[in-house]
Parts: sequence; structure tokens; C-alpha cells
Amino acid sequence: DQQVKQNSPSLSVQEGRISILNCDYTNSMFDYFLWYKKYPAEGPTFLISISSIKDKNEDGRFTVFLNKSAKHLSLHIVPSQPGDSAVYFCAASAKSGGYQKVTFGTGTKLQVIP
Amino acid sequence: NAGVMQNPRHLVRRRGQEARLRCSPMKGHSHVYWYRQLPEEGLKFMVYLQKENIIDESGMPKERFSAEFPKEGPSILRIQQVVRGDSAAYFCASSPNWRGEETQYFGPGTRLLVL
Repeated sequence: DQQVKQNSPSLSVQEGRISILNCDYTNSMFDYFLWYKKYPAEGPTFLISISSIKDKNEDGRFTVFLNKSAKHLSLHIVPSQPGDSAVYFCAASAKSGGYQKVTFGTGTKLQVIP
Repeated sequence: NAGVMQNPRHLVRRRGQEARLRCSPMKGHSHVYWYRQLPEEGLKFMVYLQKENIIDESGMPKERFSAEFPKEGPSILRIQQVVRGDSAAYFCASSPNWRGEETQYFGPGTRLLVL
């Protein structure tokens, strides 16, 4: 049962344009959401997060939007740069067995074309 | 401040051998998580440990897999009698406390290949 879904396995965007990565979740108990970025042969690195009490969080070129009613979040990258080419993982956490357990999506591979 | 360290980075084992994967968390972090990434798949939670305690091992296969985080030294993920299906990238992450909003910091991973 995949509680965090990234339905687009890949995305190609022109340099300078906006990249929009989407994520859907099914567990209404999730109260914190994160995006991680992963380059080949490296571990994931934290990018940006959002609490369930907010609907938007911005950090430079990266903005995460949360729509709780739709159980949907998205990551916007503006403007996209070739160095943004990587796999992006959406993650969500909920209290489970006394601690906040993080569940990851399957990832979306972003390619930014120069 | 060194990040999460994992070794070895690459490990080749033959079927039936044992694999030992090591993870040293970031300085000041006492919580360690292990994840597995199979080819073309996402990160799957395996186990969450604190010093000398396994908190949640719900994602760990019941047989052949074990994990520990001793009072001194790195966390160890041990796979006994490896099979080809164990070939994957194994990532360790650490955090300073148990709250999910505290970011988990990942190591570079160990890529296990079972021949």
C-alpha cells in the first residue's frame, strides 16, 4: 500500500522555465511533508519542508504547496537550472508507535534541458 | 562537521555469504534509520534505532536481516545468507531527535551486489 505517490516517474523542463513536481498521499494522519533531492550515486539531501498547518513554504527558487483537502502537495522550482536535474522524493511523516515515521514516495526524475 | 558516513560504499557478495553495512551518524545525532532502494524503486523504510535500542523494525524482513546501534561505534545492518534479491542501495540516515520535522540526514549509501 503506497501511502505517498509520485505518479510521474520523469519530467523534462527547459532551463529557465518552471518545474512542477507533484505528490499525492492517502494517510490523513500525515502532518509534516518534505522534499528530498538525490543525485546518482549519492544519498538524498533535504530540500524543503512544510507543516500541515501551512499551505505554502518558500525557500529561494523552491516553493512547496500543500492542499490538505485534496491530499496533494507540489514542489515548484523557478527558474529551473541544469543543476536541478536529479531525482526528487516526496516524503510525509505521521506519529506511529510513539515517533514520527517518514514514508517516501517513489521519486520523480527531473531533467532540465539547457 | 562530518556528515553521515557509510561504509563500504560498494559491496559484492556471493549468494549465501554475509553482508555487513556500517553507518556512523552525524555528530550529536542519536537516531539512526535504515532504508533500502531497489532498482527503479523508491526508498523503503527498514528500521529505526536509538543507541542500544531498536524502536521500529517493521520494515525489516523477518529472516536474515538484523540491525544494531551499540553504545559505542557505528550502527550495523547485517544480512545473513544473502540472495540476489538483496542487491540494492542501502541508505542510512540520522537525526538529532525523534520528531519527524527534524530533517533526516542521509549518508551516501552502500550499494550491495549479490552475485
